[in-house]
Amino acid sequence: AQSVTQLGSHVSVSEGALVLLRCNYSSSVPPYLFWYVQYPNQGLQLLLKYTSAATLVKGINGFEAEFKKSETSFHLTKPSAHMSDAAEYFCAVSGRDDKIIFGKGTRLHILP
Amino acid sequence: GAGVSQSPSNKVTEKGKDVELRCDPISGHTALYWYRQSLGQGLEFLIYFQGNSAPDKSGLPSDRFSAERTGGSVSTLTIQRTQQEDSAVYLCASSLDRGFHNEQFFGPGTRLTVL
Repeated sequence: AQSVTQLGSHVSVSEGALVLLRCNYSSSVPPYLFWYVQYPNQGLQLLLKYTSAATLVKGINGFEAEFKKSETSFHLTKPSAHMSDAAEYFCAVSGRDDKIIFGKGTRLHILP
Repeated sequence: GAGVSQSPSNKVTEKGKDVELRCDPISGHTALYWYRQSLGQGLEFLIYFQGNSAPDKSGLPSDRFSAERTGGSVSTLTIQRTQQEDSAVYLCASSLDRGFHNEQFFGPGTRLTVL
């Protein structure tokens, strides 16, 4: 069985500052890990996915995430926030044949 | 190409009425998923189709909820005798192949309000 915890339902950062959104997971099998983004009034869109090929995963729009097995974490980062990054971000985990479990989401606010 | 589409985009209904929500997946995608998104609760898995069959219905919250998929394409989620707690955004997603590890492409959702 899998579960995922996102720390912080709301995160605010200044434009140009580092973005760090935290995600911790638990899984009884080697996990697949995902970050999805949801812009206002839109469906979710895949940002990046970890499938065991490399621990540092680069995604769209300058985001990346690092898989740390020892910490059971998959935090999402971006070096410099842009106003267009304001959205809700969901971390998710699944096993190959197990349903995907989504976190409760973190809403990212960008301050001018 | 066209993405996943859902209709209606908004639905307001009275308690006790039945509602049908529709999902048109991306052409050629064999897997289709329904989720419910409630405020502050994230996404809740409801049901998964591979082709026309539903190998996993474990997420349906009660027997008032049912779903079908015909022709390996369009899917309909039906909620009978709606309750106020059914108010949420219902999201549909599709993926090219079976397996939750595959990228899912989401529709914009149907916002259901039960008065």
